[in-house]
Amino acid sequence: KNQVEQSPQSLIILEGKNCTLQCNYTVSPFSNLRWYKQDTGRGPVSLTIMTFSENTKSNGRYTATLDADTKQSSLHITASQLSDSASYICVVQYGGSQGNLIFGKGTKLSVKP
Amino acid sequence: EAGVVQSPRYKIIEKKQPVAFWCNPISGHNTLYWYLQNLGQGPELLIRYENEEAVDDSQLPKDRFSAERLKGVDSTLKIQPAELGDSAVYLCASSLDGAGQGIQYFGAGTRLSVL
Repeated sequence: KNQVEQSPQSLIILEGKNCTLQCNYTVSPFSNLRWYKQDTGRGPVSLTIMTFSENTKSNGRYTATLDADTKQSSLHITASQLSDSASYICVVQYGGSQGNLIFGKGTKLSVKP
Repeated sequence: EAGVVQSPRYKIIEKKQPVAFWCNPISGHNTLYWYLQNLGQGPELLIRYENEEAVDDSQLPKDRFSAERLKGVDSTLKIQPAELGDSAVYLCASSLDGAGQGIQYFGAGTRLSVL
C-alpha cells in the first residue's frame, strides 16, 4: 500500500533553533518528493521538489534531503523564525509524470519566542 | 499575478442541504485539482481536470458530489445533499502542465461546516 508517514506529529522549538522533520514513504513507482508548508487557514505552499536523482535541495533556510534507497526524506529548518510556525507536509508523486500525489499528515511546528 | 482564488472562505449549512464551492485557477494553468482536507490530515484528491476533461475522478463520491469545469478555466464543486461527515476544508489547486513535475498552487480553501 502506498503510504507517506511523517514524524514527529508535532514539535515545539525556540526561535533561532534548528529542527529536522522526517518523512518515510512506501510508494512505488516513485516519481518525486515534495515538501509543502501550510499556514493555519491557508493552502499548502511548495517548498521543494526532488526527483530520484537528487539528494538535497535548498530553499532559503529550508533544506530537504532524499535517500531513495531507504525511502526517507528530511526537511531541515535553520535558525527558525516565528513565521516558520506551520504544518509541513511531505508529498510523494508516484506512477510516472502524470501520476497522483500522496500527502502525509504533516508535522505541526510551533516556534516560540 | 493573482493566485488561486476560492469562494466562499467559510460555509455553514444544515445537513441534507446543497452547497457549492467555486475556484478560479491561476491564469494559463491547464490542470485543476479539488482536494478534501480533514483536520490534522493531509489533502486527499477528489478530482483532477486537464482543461475541461476530468482525467481522474476515482476518489469523488459520485452519489452526492459533482464537479464541472465547462470552459477549462474556473470550476465548481457541488455536494447534494451534504452530510455531517462532509465537514472539512475543500482545497482547489492548479498547475501549469499537469501532475508531472509541475508545482501545484493551492487556494486558501473553503471551510465547510455541516450542522
